[in-house]
Amino acid sequence: GENVEQHPSTLSVQEGDSAVIKCTYSDSASNYFPWYKQELGKRPQLIIDIRSNVGEKKDQRIAVTLNKTAKHFSLHITETQPEDSAVYFCAAPNSGGGADGLTFGKGTHLIIQP
Amino acid sequence: ETGVTQTPRHLVMGMTNKKSLKCEQHLGHNAMYWYKQSAKKPLELMFVYSLEERVENNSVPSRFSPECPNSSHLFLHLHTLQPEDSALYLCASSQAGGHGNTIYFGEGSWLTVV
Repeated sequence: GENVEQHPSTLSVQEGDSAVIKCTYSDSASNYFPWYKQELGKRPQLIIDIRSNVGEKKDQRIAVTLNKTAKHFSLHITETQPEDSAVYFCAAPNSGGGADGLTFGKGTHLIIQP
Repeated sequence: ETGVTQTPRHLVMGMTNKKSLKCEQHLGHNAMYWYKQSAKKPLELMFVYSLEERVENNSVPSRFSPECPNSSHLFLHLHTLQPEDSALYLCASSQAGGHGNTIYFGEGSWLTVV
């Protein structure tokens, strides 16, 4: 099956600075890479995703980049704000016969320092 | 947001009890999932149902028994659980059809085994 590694496990940045979270995946056939944000006590929610036919996608202050050759993708958050504090998860499709669902990284706890 | 609803939200059960978690999705999806979230393994896939057939169970202990009577409902039957099974159990749904479909989570059921 797919294996997703995520780093760092904790990231602390000053408000207004940028944050970058990185993930690697193992299955070269994977073609969809979403990022989820989970605030304390709430469900994980999709914030941005990228498909393998593009190298970068932006949505206001967040962006995701994909390097299919190296099998890694990254989440970039610019001009960080207190409400960005949360746990962020990267994911890739389950592999093995095209089974539905996602395999997640272990998460990054992003802390925005005032 | 009520796309995927889970009940109960909180459950405390003894190791000899039998209980069930319920999930219902109103998104017209035809794949549903159970994930376990704990401090050790933040988002661990337990079961996948695609088009009402179970396609993956990731070697979950038999004390967890899923049931998917139709594409909108999913249950997780629990019996003779252990304290280490205490966790947040998240239900999710998506369109079936292999890679590249966004999954949507419910709010989760917090389970404590005493």
